[in-house]
Formats: sequence, structure tokens, C-alpha cells
Amino acid sequence: AQSVSQHNHHVILSEAASLELGCNYSYGGTVNLFWYVQYPGQHLQLLLKYFSGDPLVKGIKGFEAEFIKSKFSFNLRKPSVQWSDTAEYFCAVRHGNTGKLIFGQGTTLQVKP
Amino acid sequence: DGGITQSPKYLFRKEGQNVTLSCEQNLNHDAMYWYRQDPGQGLRLIYYSQIVNDFQKGDIAEGYSVSREKKESFPLTVTSAQKNPTAFYLCASGPDRGHTEAFFGQGTRLTVV
Repeated sequence: AQSVSQHNHHVILSEAASLELGCNYSYGGTVNLFWYVQYPGQHLQLLLKYFSGDPLVKGIKGFEAEFIKSKFSFNLRKPSVQWSDTAEYFCAVRHGNTGKLIFGQGTTLQVKP
Repeated sequence: DGGITQSPKYLFRKEGQNVTLSCEQNLNHDAMYWYRQDPGQGLRLIYYSQIVNDFQKGDIAEGYSVSREKKESFPLTVTSAQKNPTAFYLCASGPDRGHTEAFFGQGTRLTVV
């Protein structure tokens, strides 16, 4: 079955540490890739997206992600996290043919001040 | 104001009753989605629709039903056949194609007692 897998369920970092959250998907066709964030008490917001072109995409708040087609991966990175980055992060994949949009299990990031 | 409106925010029902969750969008999006969010399981796709009068089952459609009679509306019915209906339900909409992401409503928390 088509799926999206996020490797880390709960990550705890100190401020200024670097972040990398893994995301892999299982679908061989054309895909659009997304990272969403859900801050406590708020609804889902888009961090960044990949449709085509440069596989390294930059999003809001200093986040970036790299699409590696051969590895079916779309990992999220940030060089230096802040306490305000504490949130839940979701990787999502939309199938180009069917429009089906599926999400990973989410990663809870806790940043200690 | 453009956006996605889910109502109500909180909903309580007795076991054995069907209940319908509302989702309306004025973004002129073709595609609409329903997800269920449970702790540690991310967002799981219930149903999605790419166009009016058409919809597809997602990964956990059992016990749910939808309709898409109008472009702006995609109501979800949680039937008595759904074994564990208490959850947070999220609706989203997005373009059927193009370099644009899906947008989310604020969700409905359903509690079945």
C-alpha cells in the first residue's frame, strides 16, 4: 500500500541545535511533496513544498527540505532551531495521477530553551 | 474572507447515532479531503474528492460516508458502523492540479459517549 513514513516520532533538542526530520514514501509515480507544521492549539500550516525543479526547497522560518528521488525521501532540515519551533511536523505526499494526499505519522519536536 | 470552515468545533453524540460534520470552502478548489487525526497516528485519509459528484475512498473509509453535490461543500457522515468514532476530524481543500498546496480547516472534535 502507498504510505508515508516519518522516522522520528518524538525529537527533543536544545535551542541552536540542528534539526533533520526524515520522510520516506512508497509510490513510484509523479509526486508532489509537502511539509506541514501544527503549532499547539493551531491548525496545520504549510512549511514548504516541492513540485518540480531544484530538489532543494526553502520554506518559511528557515526550514528547507531536499527531495532525493532515488531514495524516495524528502527530509526536512533547519540549521538552528528555536524554542518557537516546538510543534508537530507532518510530511505529506500527493500522487500526481490520482490527487490522493496522504500524510506521515507526524514528528513531535520539543525545543528546550 | 477566503478559507475552509468546519462546523461545529466540538460535537457530542450518543453511541449508535449517525452524525454529519460540515466542511465548506470558498477557495474555488476542485479537490477536498477528510482526515482523522489521532495521537501518534498522524492524519489518516478517510475520503477525498477531485471533482463534484465524484469521490474516492481513502485508507480508513469504513464506517464513514461522504457526498460532493456542490463544489464548495464536502460533508462527512460518521455512521454507527464506525467502531471508534471519537477523534479529531480535519477537512482540507486544494487545487486538482498546479503548484499549490492543500489548505486545512480548524477541525471538529467529535466525542461519542
